[in-house]
Amino acid sequence: RKEVEQDPGPFNVPEGATVAFNCTYSNSASQSFFWYRQDCRKEPKLLMSVYSSGNEDGRFTAQLNRASQYISLLIRDSKLSDSATYLCVVKPPGSARQLTFGSGTQLTVLP
Amino acid sequence: GAVVSQHPSWVICKSGTSVKIECRSLDFQATTMFWYRQFPKQSLMLMATSNEGSKATYEQGVEKDKFLINHASLTLSTLTVTSAHPEDSSFYICSARERGLSGNTIYFGEGSWLTVV
Repeated sequence: RKEVEQDPGPFNVPEGATVAFNCTYSNSASQSFFWYRQDCRKEPKLLMSVYSSGNEDGRFTAQLNRASQYISLLIRDSKLSDSATYLCVVKPPGSARQLTFGSGTQLTVLP
Repeated sequence: GAVVSQHPSWVICKSGTSVKIECRSLDFQATTMFWYRQFPKQSLMLMATSNEGSKATYEQGVEKDKFLINHASLTLSTLTVTSAHPEDSSFYICSARERGLSGNTIYFGEGSWLTVV
């Protein structure tokens, strides 16, 4: 089983739609969780951290369910500029372990 | 502006030659830098952790003699792909960890596209 699993998509949605991505992780002791955005042929950029209580940043809402070991990202009122690959990222336990990336979910917002 | 700079952004080399990629932290010292590789439509895979002043720690399956890492200063780590082959063609990304009062922040370089012909 992969450490971090995501639905690869692609998700093609019209502008203004709401879209949700899910991600599961295998190590129940994982400490930190993030969503990164990666544009084509570019480096990943941090979109938001994911907290146990859930957190929102504008049109983006992230949720963490530790019991089920899944993380979600909800994008409301999709914009064309939201088209990208969204990477679920988990930091396993232990300071020596580094970020583990999911394979990403591709989103295309259509006009 | 970028806080981690990678160079070159694009490189094409002949099979059998070596290529060096630089990763620099700007405005902060990075005792630890990380090198990732990403093949098309795949996830970023950690190749190695670069520690300033000591040997790099390689992930399982990554050949340390093929991917030479040098972290000679607190702001520079280099990855050299030796005797490159077409299957080494990939997107290589570095990241650097900045230690702050509120915790650690990871910054990514812009990435380097390597094409071996």
